[in-house]
Amino acid sequence: AQSVTQLGSHVSVSEGALVLLRCNYSSSVPPYLFWYVQYPNQGLQLLLKYTSAATLVKGINGFEAEFKKSETSFHLTKPSAHMSDAAEYFCAVSEDGNKLVFGAGTILRVKS
Amino acid sequence: GAVVSQHPSWVICKSGTSVKIECRSLDFQATTMFWYRQFPKQSLMLMATSNEGSKATYEQGVEKDKFLINHASLTLSTLTVTSAHPEDSSFYICSASSVVGLSHEQFFGPGTRLTVL
Repeated sequence: AQSVTQLGSHVSVSEGALVLLRCNYSSSVPPYLFWYVQYPNQGLQLLLKYTSAATLVKGINGFEAEFKKSETSFHLTKPSAHMSDAAEYFCAVSEDGNKLVFGAGTILRVKS
Repeated sequence: GAVVSQHPSWVICKSGTSVKIECRSLDFQATTMFWYRQFPKQSLMLMATSNEGSKATYEQGVEKDKFLINHASLTLSTLTVTSAHPEDSSFYICSASSVVGLSHEQFFGPGTRLTVL
């Protein structure tokens, strides 16, 4: 069975600081991995996805994530946080690229 | 980009009544739609997968007779919560799947908050 663990339900960073949101997964087959962002009162928006091509995946808004098979991790990073990055972020895994299993989410707070 | 809408955005109903939630893909055709449920401070939990013109596939533990799903067209799926009770109060989110490049991508609706009194 697939599962996703997001370490830290809340992460707080200063504006301009590095953003690191952690995601570990379990999957019995090579997984598809996703990061979504949810702003208040809006639907989830895809930030990036890993589909067995390059292990370092670049997404929208300056975010990127690195697939590390040995660590079963897919952590999300951004070099410099902006106030507009404040939102909730979800990591998700899929075995077929379609049916998603989500982590519990991490709320990112950006301090000025 | 692909847009998915949900209606209503919020609904309050009395215990024992039924509530219908609509999910529409506005600018693309979706052969597959998904329904999720999200409790406060928790993640999205997949309830069912809906393919146009066929019966929905429900996840383990989800009552088929409680949560009726209809996917009658390539742009519309509905979720009906029958005989709703307070424990059904939750945030219901749909997504519609479309092929982007060589893979599927899900586009999510903004969600519907259901409160059962």
